[in-house]
Amino acid sequence: GNSVTQMEGPVTLSEEAFLTINCTYTATGYPSLFWYVQYPGEGLQLLLKATKADDKGSNKGFEATYRKETTSFHLEKGSVQVSDSAVYFCALIQGGKLIFGQGTELSVKP
Amino acid sequence: NAGVTQTPKFQVLKTGQSMTLQCAQDMNHEYMSWYRQDPGMGLRLIHYSVGAGITDQGEVPNGYNVSRSTTEDFPLRLLSAAPSQTSVYFCASSSTLPGLAGRGTGELFFGEGSRLTVL
Repeated sequence: GNSVTQMEGPVTLSEEAFLTINCTYTATGYPSLFWYVQYPGEGLQLLLKATKADDKGSNKGFEATYRKETTSFHLEKGSVQVSDSAVYFCALIQGGKLIFGQGTELSVKP
Repeated sequence: NAGVTQTPKFQVLKTGQSMTLQCAQDMNHEYMSWYRQDPGMGLRLIHYSVGAGITDQGEVPNGYNVSRSTTEDFPLRLLSAAPSQTSVYFCASSSTLPGLAGRGTGELFFGEGSRLTVL
């Protein structure tokens, strides 16, 4: 079945460092892809999405490009801030349901 | 802006007890769902509903019951709690079924979560 695999965390970075969180997927066809973020003590919220191959989703300085050749949707940010500390989830849609990866915890130190 | 409201935020149960987690949304969303979040496993879908009177099972439905008598409310019932049900539970809603051609955006709106411990 369809699935999402993310790089294991936690990821610890210094402020202003470059961030990459890897996400690969297994799916039939070309599903829409998403990144959700969960800040401490809160529910998840949509960060960005891409609905077709080569689309780039972007929001709050984060970007991710839908790569069908490598079945990937890696999340990047050029300069992280302490406020970016959170858990990040990659997800895809299958049969009307969102399928989530296991989440990657990011900790940004001043 | 209430959005999705879950209660209680924390609950401790003994094995065999029953309880209901409440979820209410004020956005007139058709689609509502319950997920559980466990370390290293991400979020797994328990049950979902595409409208009042309609419910269906997700990936991990055993031990849970749901009903949808109104558009606003989608309670999750634990019939006989077990330690394996210790988890954080999230209710989420959307205007329509995620990914529905031409209408579904895939954006879910989540509540703040309910942390359940079963001893």
